[in-house]
Amino acid sequence: GEDVEQSLFLSVREGDSSVINCTYTDSSSTYLYWYKQEPGAGLQLLTYIFSNMDMKQDQRLTVLLNKKDKHLSLRIADTQTGDSAIYFCCRGSQGNLIFGKGTKLSVKP
Amino acid sequence: DGGITQSPKYLFRKEGQNVTLSCEQNLNHDAMYWYRQDPGQGLRLIYYSQIVNDFQKGDIAEGYSVSREKKESFPLTVTSAQKNPTAFYLCASSIDSNTNEQFFGPGTRLTVL
Repeated sequence: GEDVEQSLFLSVREGDSSVINCTYTDSSSTYLYWYKQEPGAGLQLLTYIFSNMDMKQDQRLTVLLNKKDKHLSLRIADTQTGDSAIYFCCRGSQGNLIFGKGTKLSVKP
Repeated sequence: DGGITQSPKYLFRKEGQNVTLSCEQNLNHDAMYWYRQDPGQGLRLIYYSQIVNDFQKGDIAEGYSVSREKKESFPLTVTSAQKNPTAFYLCASSIDSNTNEQFFGPGTRLTVL
C-alpha cells in the first residue's frame, strides 16, 4: 500500500465541521503536516504536529494524532466555501516530505 | 517581500523540445525541491538540492535535469526524454535539508502539444 493514505474526496455543507483523515505506515517521522492547495496554486502550509503530541488546535483547525494507530486527522470547524481546496497530509522523512494523494474538500452553500 | 517564485505560470511546448522552468527564492534557504503533480497522484519528488552546487535525484528523475549554481535559483529542464511531460510542476524550498517544513511556489503548468 501507499506510505501515506487519504480518501480522495469529502463533501460538506457550509457551517458544518469537516474531518479529513490520513493514515501512514512509517512512524519514524518527527513532524506531520497538513498543506492546503487552492485550484491552480501552490501548496500552503496549514499546520503541523510534533510526533510526541496527540492534539494541536489553531483557531478553526484541530489536528489529532494517534501514534499507535498511525492515524492523523484534520478537523475544520465551521467550514466555509473558502475552505474548498485539496488538503495534503504528509510526513517528514530525512529532510524530504512524503505526501498523500490529497483530499478534495467541496463545501456546499 | 520574501518568497519563492516560479515563471511562467503556463508554458506550452511542442513534443521533442527541451524546456526550462524557473524557480527563484529570496528566503536565503539552503534546500530546494522540484515536484510534479498529476491529477489524483499527489506530489512526486523529481530532484532536490541540499546546498549550492549539489543536487540529488528524487523518485521520478528520469527525463529531467537540474542545476544549482546559485543559492536562490534552481531551474528544472524537462528534456525530450521525458515520456509524459504534461503536468503541474511545483518548486519548494526549506531552511536546510534537516528542516521538513517547505515553502512552495505558485507552480508552472506545462503542456506539451
